[in-house]
This record gives sequence, structure tokens and C-alpha cells, in this order.
Amino acid sequence: QITLKESGPTLVEPTETLTLTCTFSGFSLNTGRVGVGWIRQPPGKALEWLALIYWDGDKRYSPSLKSRLTLTDTSKNQVVLIMTNMDPVDTATYYCAHWFSRPSGSGKTFDYWGQGTLVTVPS
Amino acid sequence: QSALTQPASVSGSPGQSITISCTGTSSDVGSYNLVSWYQQYPGKAPKLMIYEDSNRPSGISNRFSGSKSGNTASLTISGLQAEDEADYYCSSYAGSITRYVFGTGTRVTVL
Repeated sequence: QITLKESGPTLVEPTETLTLTCTFSGFSLNTGRVGVGWIRQPPGKALEWLALIYWDGDKRYSPSLKSRLTLTDTSKNQVVLIMTNMDPVDTATYYCAHWFSRPSGSGKTFDYWGQGTLVTVPS
Repeated sequence: QSALTQPASVSGSPGQSITISCTGTSSDVGSYNLVSWYQQYPGKAPKLMIYEDSNRPSGISNRFSGSKSGNTASLTISGLQAEDEADYYCSSYAGSITRYVFGTGTRVTVL
């Protein structure tokens, strides 16, 4: 059974750095063709993809946020997302999700999601 | 990379069928058979309903079906039920740089 859970601060001051941890079970990032992604959702708004770390250590970031994002695999069934220079527009629920792909290149979707964690950046 | 375009709201009566569109470009929806659809209840995490344009994960009702034509994907809910009232988001793989793009979201209301 695959589960994921996000943890981190609920309040971050403007210009500070946000560090979120995704703790997962039921799979290993050492297994081929899996990954862990981060997606956020501002209150009342749409989902936005942020980043994805693959089983082989490759990391990809949203082009619009790439300069502010860093992903780390702690090798302890945890993935850490770091976002610098936080702004009130970054107020959102942040989700981590399990990603998979098939050898054929199909799949490539987020099939299990954490419950999400709301991060507020006051104005 | 712009978000995929979805209608803000779609409604239907119990038992009816509704279709939600998701319009992208030739760089995302039109280039890959990798559109996913998610259902989200208020305050809850998204749930995968369709992947690879038209495949249902195990446990998802066959009342949910996906299709695609050109740069537009569609989610059809047949035999609409009260429990289907939720927000629905599409998503598409968008290549090696952008990777993923989500839709603007559609609120489904069961009348």
C-alpha cells in the first residue's frame, strides 16, 4: 500500500525559505521507473506542478520556479522540497505524489497523493 | 507554459451524462497520449480517475471515461450521481523541459 505524507511549517515569513518533507511508504525510490512529485494549489485555485525526482536521481523543476526550487532525496523514504524567497503568492496547499512510468514510456502520471499541507505566507 | 483550458463549471441531473473538455496545445495534449484526470473534493487531495488519455486505474467506476482528439481531451461521466459532485482537473505530460501542466479545473454540479 502506497502512502505519502507532507510535513513542514504552516507559516513562513516573506523572503524566508520553505522546507517541506514528503515521507512515503509502500515503494522505494531505488525501484525503477518511479518518482516523487510536488504539486501545489493556492486556496480556491488550480493545481500547479512544481518538481519531480526520478528513481535514477534525475530532478526536474517547473521552468517558472526553477531558480527557487531544490529537491533532495534523503534515501530514508523521504524527499525534501526547498523553496527560497517565499512570497504571499506562494500561499498554497502543497502535495507530494507518487509517480510511475512504464518501460514503453507510457504511464507517467501521479497515482497516489499525500493529504497535502497548507503553507501560509502573510502579506 | 500555460495551463490547460477547462470550462469553469459543468452541471447535469442524476442519471445524465456530462463531458468536461481540456484544451491544450500541440506541445502537450496533442503530442503525447499522457493526459490524466483527477477528482478532488473540497479540502481533500486529488484522486486519479483516468491516465494515458483513457485508462482507468483499478477501482475506478466505468462510469468515468476519457478520450482525446487533437489538442483536446475529454472526461465523460455517465449515469451522473450525487457523489460525482466535485472539482475535476486534467493534466498532461508536456515534454522534457516543462514536464507537466495542469488544467484550470472544472466544478461539476449535480442538479
